[in-house]
Amino acid sequence: KAGVTQTPRYLIKTRGQQVTLSCSPISGHRSVSWYQQTPGQGLQFLFEYFSETQRNKGNFPGRFSGRQFSNSRSEMNVSTLELGDSALYLCASSPTGGWGYNEQFFGPGTRLTVL
Amino acid sequence: DQQVKQNSPSLSVQEGRISILNCDYTNSMFDYFLWYKKYPAEGPTFLISISSIKDKNEDGRFTVFLNKSAKHLSLHIVPSQPGDSAVYFCAASVKGSSNTGKLIFGQGTTLQVKP
Repeated sequence: KAGVTQTPRYLIKTRGQQVTLSCSPISGHRSVSWYQQTPGQGLQFLFEYFSETQRNKGNFPGRFSGRQFSNSRSEMNVSTLELGDSALYLCASSPTGGWGYNEQFFGPGTRLTVL
Repeated sequence: DQQVKQNSPSLSVQEGRISILNCDYTNSMFDYFLWYKKYPAEGPTFLISISSIKDKNEDGRFTVFLNKSAKHLSLHIVPSQPGDSAVYFCAASVKGSSNTGKLIFGQGTTLQVKP
C-alpha cells in the first residue's frame, strides 16, 4: 500500500503571496490532519478533515485554511504569507480519526520557505 | 503551555545497550499515547502506542511503559542499533468529538547510537 504523499516537497515564496499544499492519504484512510513543524514550536496541529468536513482546528489564524475532496485528498492554503510561516508542513492520515484509537501515518512533508 | 514534555533534548548510547527515552505530560485527560521516530527530511514514522488502560505495551525491540499516577511514559529500545539514531517524539491524544485527528507532540529527543 502506498504511503502518504505530499506535493510539492519544497517551495519558496515571498511575503504576501499565497500557497497551496497537497496531500494524498493512504488508500482507505478518510481522516487527514495537518501539522506545522518549526524549530521553536515543534509539531503543532493545524486542522483535521474527515469526509470533506473540517472536524477540528488548532490555534492558527484564519490565513490557514484547508479542504478535503471526495477521494479524501486534502489541500491546505496559506494566504498573505509571513516570514514566520516558514516551516515543514506535515500531513497525516488515519482510517477514522479521533473517535477510536487510530495511529496517524505521516507524509514526508512540504518545506516552505518565505522570503 | 507545554502539555507534553520531553526534557532531554539528546541521548547517546552504545550499540547493543538499552535506550530509554522519557516523556512527561500534564493533561490528565490524555488517554492515548504514541511514539514516533523521525529521520531528517522525512515525516515521523509511527513506532508504538499505548492506551491509558494499560501500563505496558511491547513490540519487538520497543516497549512503552505508562505511569499514570506520575503522568510519565517511557520508550525502551533493546538492544539499540545504529539505525535507531533519529529524533523520537512522544505524542498524546484525547478521545472525543472535539479532539478528532489531533495529536499533541513533545519537543523531541535526538537519540544517537554509537557503533
